[in-house]
Amino acid sequence: AQSVTQLGSHVSVSEGALVLLRCNYSSSVSVYLFWYVQYPNQGLQLLLKYLSGSTLVKGINGFEAEFNKSQTSFHLRKPSVHISDTAEYFCAVRSNTGNQFYFGTGTSLTVIP
Amino acid sequence: EPEVTQTPSHQVTQMGQEVILRCVPISNHLYFYWYRQILGQKVEFLVSFYNNEISEKSEIFDDQFSVERPDGSNFTLKIRSTKLEDSAMYFCASSDQLGETQYFGPGTRLLVL
Repeated sequence: AQSVTQLGSHVSVSEGALVLLRCNYSSSVSVYLFWYVQYPNQGLQLLLKYLSGSTLVKGINGFEAEFNKSQTSFHLRKPSVHISDTAEYFCAVRSNTGNQFYFGTGTSLTVIP
Repeated sequence: EPEVTQTPSHQVTQMGQEVILRCVPISNHLYFYWYRQILGQKVEFLVSFYNNEISEKSEIFDDQFSVERPDGSNFTLKIRSTKLEDSAMYFCASSDQLGETQYFGPGTRLLVL
């Protein structure tokens, strides 16, 4: 089975600052990795995903993430955040042998003006 | 852009009552899923559905739950006799032929009184 750990349940940063949201996973098999964003009172929106190939993945809204197999990590970052990035961010993994997604507990990002 | 839709957006029910949550997946998708998110907790997998049958289910998905694809467009989750602890946000998702990226609907917030 897979598990996902997101360090830091709440992160506050100033507008324009760099933000790094951490995600580590454990799995005995190869995985696919995803970041989803949940804006208040809305559903989950796909930010980016890693399936194979380049370990640096670029997503929507200026976000990017880097897959590090040796550290079993898939940290999300954005060089310069905007107030509109205030939301809940979820890391998720799926094994390459099943369809079930395993989600982390989420990180609530607040961008301060 | 195609999207997953869910109805209703909110539902309040009495304990012991049956509820049916409805989802319209993206039209050319073949895999369908239900997840739930209890307030303040992580998103949890309930069930996946492919080719008119359940392909995976979690231990949460007990005999009180059932899923159905009654026609070519709808995918439903039925809870036969709701319990207080069923109160949660329920997300439907669908994925494309490769079963890699899951696209989520906006959710149905269920409150059991």
